[in-house]
Amino acid sequence: DQQVKQNSPSLSVQEGRISILNCDYTNSMFDYFLWYKKYPAEGPTFLISISSIKDKNEDGRFTVFLNKSAKHLSLHIVPSQPGDSAVYFCAASASYGKLTFGQGTILTVHP
Amino acid sequence: DGGITQSPKYLFRKEGQNVTLSCEQNLNHDAMYWYRQDPGQGLRLIYYSQIVNDFQKGDIAEGYSVSREKKESFPLTVTSAQKNPTAFYLCASSERAGGDEQFFGPGTRLTVL
Repeated sequence: DQQVKQNSPSLSVQEGRISILNCDYTNSMFDYFLWYKKYPAEGPTFLISISSIKDKNEDGRFTVFLNKSAKHLSLHIVPSQPGDSAVYFCAASASYGKLTFGQGTILTVHP
Repeated sequence: DGGITQSPKYLFRKEGQNVTLSCEQNLNHDAMYWYRQDPGQGLRLIYYSQIVNDFQKGDIAEGYSVSREKKESFPLTVTSAQKNPTAFYLCASSERAGGDEQFFGPGTRLTVL
């Protein structure tokens, strides 16, 4: 049972445009959500997180939106840069530290 | 430099052999984790430890074993009972168990021949 789903395996955008990566979850106990970026053969690096008491968190070019009623979160990258090309994972936690990851979305930003 | 180290980067073993993957952190984090990544899949939790001398099974613990004798070390043994051991293994740590971001090591690519 996949509790965290990223339904788009890949996304391609033009440099300078917005990238929107989506994530859905089913477990209503999740109260903390994170986005990680991963390059091939490397460990994921933390990007941005959001607590369930918020609906938006912004950090530079990255903004995460949380819609609790729809059990949906999204990561917006504006403007997109070629260096943003990587695999993006969303993850969720129910406060005891065990993260559940989505399958990942491959983002390609074309110059 | 604080961080998580995993060694080696690439590891080859013959089928039927046990192999131990190293994970060390100098971040003074309480919690440590082991994940497995397969192509086209997300990270799946194998084992985690919230404190020294304690650990719990994750979602796919069968065929694996761990120990947590020291705060900074959380080795993972892939036993011969693991049916599909070839994968990319990632170790992570967090300051405490519960609501914290996890920091990941560079990973070990294990190939069983």
